[in-house]
Amino acid sequence: RKEVEQDPGPFNVPEGATVAFNCTYSNSASQSFFWYRQDCRKEPKLLMSVYSSGNEDGRFTAQLNRASQYISLLIRDSKLSDSATYLCVVHGSGYALNFGKGTSLLVTP
Amino acid sequence: DAGVIQSPRHEVTEMGQEVTLRCKPISGHNSLFWYRQTMMRGLELLIYFNNNVPIDDSGMPEDRFSAKMPNASFSTLKIQPSEPRDSAVYFCASSPGTSVYEQYFGPGTRLTVT
Repeated sequence: RKEVEQDPGPFNVPEGATVAFNCTYSNSASQSFFWYRQDCRKEPKLLMSVYSSGNEDGRFTAQLNRASQYISLLIRDSKLSDSATYLCVVHGSGYALNFGKGTSLLVTP
Repeated sequence: DAGVIQSPRHEVTEMGQEVTLRCKPISGHNSLFWYRQTMMRGLELLIYFNNNVPIDDSGMPEDRFSAKMPNASFSTLKIQPSEPRDSAVYFCASSPGTSVYEQYFGPGTRLTVT
């Protein structure tokens, strides 16, 4: 079983829609969680950290459910520029991060 | 500010040849990571260094792969001999501090082994 699992998608949504991604992780001892964004043929970049109490950054909301070992990302009022692959990331051992394979989002006009 | 710098950006080589990928981390960052990304396997951690010392190389596929970090501003990932299954995008990333922080990725090296 992979340490971080995500639905690969693609999720095709119209502009203005709300879309949610989930991911599950296997290591119950993990303490730090993140969402990264990767544009086509570019490097991954941090989108936001995920805190136990949940956190919001503009149109983006991240939630953590430790009991069920899953993390979610909600995007409201989708923009064309949100089209990308969203990587769920969980702290592994030491300073290493475990990346999911990503969920592809395409926002259409 | 300069981000993580990688070279070359693209490399095409024949099976059996030696390939050397280079990375310059962000100045002041203590940790450096090498990743490989493919469609099938996603982003895989190969090795990471902290204060120039290799901490975990369990992700290195086999003895054909080696990595060095001779100083705080330079690291190399070498594949010798290369094989077609090594074709992938290789990313270098760095992060500050001594705990889990945001990792800053370089633009990657797209390697094709024919």
